[in-house]
Amino acid sequence: DQQVKQNSPSLSVQEGRISILNCDYTNSMFDYFLWYKKYPAEGPTFLISISSIKDKNEDGRFTVFLNKSAKHLSLHIVPSQPGDSAVYFCAAKGLHNFNKFYFGSGTKLNVKP
Amino acid sequence: NAGVTQTPKFQVLKTGQSMTLQCAQDMNHNSMYWYRQDPGMGLRLIYYSASEGTTDKGEVPNGYNVSRLNKREFSLRLESAAPSQTSVYFCASRDPGGSLRNQPQHFGDGTRLSIL
Repeated sequence: DQQVKQNSPSLSVQEGRISILNCDYTNSMFDYFLWYKKYPAEGPTFLISISSIKDKNEDGRFTVFLNKSAKHLSLHIVPSQPGDSAVYFCAAKGLHNFNKFYFGSGTKLNVKP
Repeated sequence: NAGVTQTPKFQVLKTGQSMTLQCAQDMNHNSMYWYRQDPGMGLRLIYYSASEGTTDKGEVPNGYNVSRLNKREFSLRLESAAPSQTSVYFCASRDPGGSLRNQPQHFGDGTRLSIL
């Protein structure tokens, strides 16, 4: 049973608009959450992360929001650019085993020029 | 700036053949990981090595073995390949120790393995 879920397999957004990617998790013991970006034929690359003690983290055009009561994580990209077109994975790490990361199934973002 | 290097990039095997996937990192990271990525499943952890000399099972270890050869290298072996092991395999490394517990993983570009 997947502990991290991304329920939207794909998302299409116009260049310059906001992209919102969502992620839900079931394990309340997760304490660190990450977003990775993946281009075809490449490995995932780290994008942004957030600790469970925070509810927001920003890095340039990327902001991650964490709602612990809802067990929900979202990534906002503003403004979206064609180069942002990729698959985005969310991931979570447990408090007690900091070597086990759980990944969602990914959301493919297409930013149209 | 090699980061994490995986070899080979592509491989086709017949059912029952054996194979070792190689992974090396040059970032002096303590921890290394092997994942598989299947359509609609995201990345699933096969095995990991928290530090040199240790290995532990992840979510989907059956049919695989690993060796942490030294701090730099972590290999994944399929002793008798099965079609269900057709996947893209990713190696990753990370330095999670002490105050760096919340650090991301760095991934290689993957090995695309097909088993006929």
